[in-house]
Amino acid sequence: DGGITQSPKYLFRKEGQNVTLSCEQNLNHDAMYWYRQDPGQGLRLIYYSQIVNDFQKGDIAEGYSVSREKKESFPLTVTSAQKNPTAFYLCASSIPRGVGTGELFFGEGSRLTVL
Amino acid sequence: GQNIDQPTEMTATEGAIVQINCTYQTSGFNGLFWYQQHAGEAPTFLSYNVLDGLEEKGRFSSFLSRSKGYSYLLLKELQMKDSASYLCAAMDSNYQLIWGAGTKLIIKP
Repeated sequence: DGGITQSPKYLFRKEGQNVTLSCEQNLNHDAMYWYRQDPGQGLRLIYYSQIVNDFQKGDIAEGYSVSREKKESFPLTVTSAQKNPTAFYLCASSIPRGVGTGELFFGEGSRLTVL
Repeated sequence: GQNIDQPTEMTATEGAIVQINCTYQTSGFNGLFWYQQHAGEAPTFLSYNVLDGLEEKGRFSSFLSRSKGYSYLLLKELQMKDSASYLCAAMDSNYQLIWGAGTKLIIKP
């Protein structure tokens, strides 16, 4: 079955630690995205990548970093510089915007809690 | 600025019909999406509208008026499993998605 796999589903982090969230897709999509979801707010874009070895900052990139070395993989690192990292993180993929409707396919999410 | 507004919460009865409204203001427009999200889970795609009018898909329909910056999602024959949050998102001229905060729909027996 094609889809997007995020891991871990739940993660606890101490203040000052970096953590990396994994996102893997086998949909053969070029574009991948990381969103953050907080209660009472819309999804906010952290980073996105339209092609391998290229990525762009979204609206709230500060304190986060990504890489896109393979088409299938787009890991997100939450660094110690992110001041309020406790949130639900969603990875998504799509065919390139402007080509199709831009429908997003989401992973199941990773819930990060800072202790 | 760019903005999406939708009600925070709605309540409806099993078997009834409910309409969830969404208004948007974006720089340019490349379509309006509706997603369903059950608590603690990922959003799943429901519908996409880019032209004015009604798109029907089973029990769910979505309407768009570009001139009014307005969309609604219509759910018929409500079932308990329809209890979820419904997210409205508009795509601007740069193909960036602007998301609403979501409408939590509570279905009562």
